[in-house]
Amino acid sequence: QSALTQPASVSGSLGQSITISCTGTTSDVGGSNFVSWYQQHPGKAPKLMIYDVSNRPSGVSNRFSGSKSGNTASLTISGLQAEDEADYYCLSYRTYNILVFGGGTRLTVL
Amino acid sequence: EVQMLESGGGLVQPGGSLRLSCAASGFTFSDYAMTWVRQPLGKGLEWVSTISGSGVSTYNADSVKGRITISRDNSKSTLYLQVNSLRAEDTAVYYCAKAHRNGYNLADLDSWGQGTLVTVSS
Repeated sequence: QSALTQPASVSGSLGQSITISCTGTTSDVGGSNFVSWYQQHPGKAPKLMIYDVSNRPSGVSNRFSGSKSGNTASLTISGLQAEDEADYYCLSYRTYNILVFGGGTRLTVL
Repeated sequence: EVQMLESGGGLVQPGGSLRLSCAASGFTFSDYAMTWVRQPLGKGLEWVSTISGSGVSTYNADSVKGRITISRDNSKSTLYLQVNSLRAEDTAVYYCAKAHRNGYNLADLDSWGQGTLVTVSS
């Protein structure tokens, strides 16, 4: 099962905004609202940041937002902070009865 | 507080078997689907398997189909993963994760354990 496509790395300066893309097909991202995003710091377990494309779980900063257009979902982080430096993964439902992750994106805060 | 604690990882020879466990607490275990996700060291996350809250429905990745069995004991709030015919490419940290919402088996995962390392090597 092929992974969803994410950029290997993105970077941004403190206070700036960045966007991470997650590209799939009509069988997954394009055809499902079950798209979620996870933040993972080195040596730590992943943390849910966005679910159902654009919803934030309680306790997640409103600096994190999600959207989708066609087969591509996006995670935007505004007002970059040093603690945002981490790996980010998208996850989508794929027909039929499969979950698929993106390859992951390393965010560097300059 | 929701907590998951994985155990059962270790060094296994190629062709061997292993049973991983995930002890959960802090929520009504039987109400939520549970999922195993693995991560080779230094690499990305890979979905492995999901089981519904009742245990009736299971879903597996093609990469492990036929070699793994996911199960749960709701009376013990414990999730299991039996992995057979282990290969070098199964070497990874294995995480258990809880479904965010009751009834949503294959969607988002809101709580994760710290993982257990499985190393397949002779």
